[in-house]
Amino acid sequence: QVTLRESGPALVKPTQTLTLTCTFSGFSLTTSGMCVSWIRQPPGKALEWLARIDWDDDEYYSTSLKTRLTISKDTSKNQVVLTMANMEPVDTATYFCARVPFYYGSGSYYPLAMDVWGQGTTVTVSS
Amino acid sequence: QTVVTQEPSFSVSPGGTVTLTCGLSSGSVSTSYYPSWYQQTPGQAPRALIYSTNIRSSGVPDRFSGSILGNKAALTITGAQSDDESDYYCVLFVGNGILVFGGGTKLTVL
Repeated sequence: QVTLRESGPALVKPTQTLTLTCTFSGFSLTTSGMCVSWIRQPPGKALEWLARIDWDDDEYYSTSLKTRLTISKDTSKNQVVLTMANMEPVDTATYFCARVPFYYGSGSYYPLAMDVWGQGTTVTVSS
Repeated sequence: QTVVTQEPSFSVSPGGTVTLTCGLSSGSVSTSYYPSWYQQTPGQAPRALIYSTNIRSSGVPDRFSGSILGNKAALTITGAQSDDESDYYCVLFVGNGILVFGGGTKLTVL
């Protein structure tokens, strides 16, 4: 059974750096084609893709947030960590992690679905 | 920056058919964007419905189907049920490894 669980602080102050951890089980991030993404959702608003880390350590970031984001993984602990610098009140949101398998075809990798999600962790940015 | 567009809201009668679309602010959506669709009810994590344009995720009823219609990706629900009342999001693989969500469509079944 594949599961993911997000953890991190519920409250951060403006200008602080947020660190979130996604702890997963049931799959390995060393398997070719396996990836984990972070997604967030401000209250009452749409989902927003943030970042992805792949089995081969490649990292990808949202164009609008890439200067503030860092994603990393610890395969021995089955964890993916997302840091977001310089937090602002507009970053208040529920943050999700999700597994994203990619398949290999025609010389490249292509995404399947974000098929398993964590339940999300709510982060409030306030002084 | 890539902007993915969806209808903000839609309504359908129980038993009816509805097609939600997913477009680009500039350009056309094709299978090369590997469109996927997600359903989200309040307070819950999203659930994958469709990926790679038209492949249903495990356990998704066949009344959900995906396609390309004109220059947009589309999600069609045939025989809508009350528990289909949810928010629906599309995601496009826009290149350089980046995924982009649409703004979501709030579907009402009444």
